[in-house]
Amino acid sequence: QKEVEQDPGPLSVPEGAIVSLNCTYSNSAFQYFMWYRQYSRKGPELLMYTYSSGNKEDGRFTAQVDKSSKYISLFIRDSQPSDSATYLCAMSAWGGKLIFGQGTELSVKP
Amino acid sequence: DTAVSQTPKYLVTQMGNDKSIKCEQNLGHDTMYWYKQDSKKFLKIMFSYNNKELIINETVPNRFSPKSPDKAHLNLHINSLELGDSAVYFCASSPGLAGEDTQYFGPGTRLTVL
Repeated sequence: QKEVEQDPGPLSVPEGAIVSLNCTYSNSAFQYFMWYRQYSRKGPELLMYTYSSGNKEDGRFTAQVDKSSKYISLFIRDSQPSDSATYLCAMSAWGGKLIFGQGTELSVKP
Repeated sequence: DTAVSQTPKYLVTQMGNDKSIKCEQNLGHDTMYWYKQDSKKFLKIMFSYNNKELIINETVPNRFSPKSPDKAHLNLHINSLELGDSAVYFCASSPGLAGEDTQYFGPGTRLTVL
C-alpha cells in the first residue's frame, strides 16, 4: 500500500463547476500538507500549503486537512479552463522529504 | 530569470550508455533535490542535498550518483542506462529543510532510453 493514495482520474468538468480533489494517507507522522499543480510538460508548482489540521483559503482554492481521518482535500470554485492540469498532493513528516500522491488529471471544458 | 534550470531538456540515448543531467538554482537556497516522475505521473524523491551534504538517499540503484559542487548546483550522473530509467527527472530547491519550506521545481529533463 502506498503511503499516499490519490485517484489519478482523469476528471473532466464544465467551466464554472466546483472541483473536489482528495488524497488519503497512512502515515500519522505527516504534519505538512501541500497541493502542487503541474501543467503539461512543466515542473510542479506549489498551490497551497497547510500545516496540521484545518482549512486554508486562497482565492478560488480551499485546502482542507483532517488528520483524524488521514484525508486531505482541495476545492476549486468557479473552475476555469486555465485550471486544467495535474494536481498532486504532497505531504511530509519532516522538512525536505515530500511524499507525493499519483496526481489527478483535471480538464475544465469551456 | 529562471529560478531552477536543468540541462538538457530532452535526452535520448541507448541502453548501457552513461549520461549526466545538470541543475542550477539562482534562488540562494541551501537545499536541492532530484525527483523521478514515471509515465503514470508518480513523482518520487531520489536524493536531497543541504549545503552540499547528502541528506536523503532513497532506495535508488547505485548507478545513479548525485554530485553537488556548490550550493547552487546539483548534478545527476547515471551509469549503464536501462530501459526502466526512462522518465522525467526534476530538480528542485528549497530555502532549507523546514517542513514549511516551499520546493521550487525545474522544468524537467525527459530521458528516453532505447
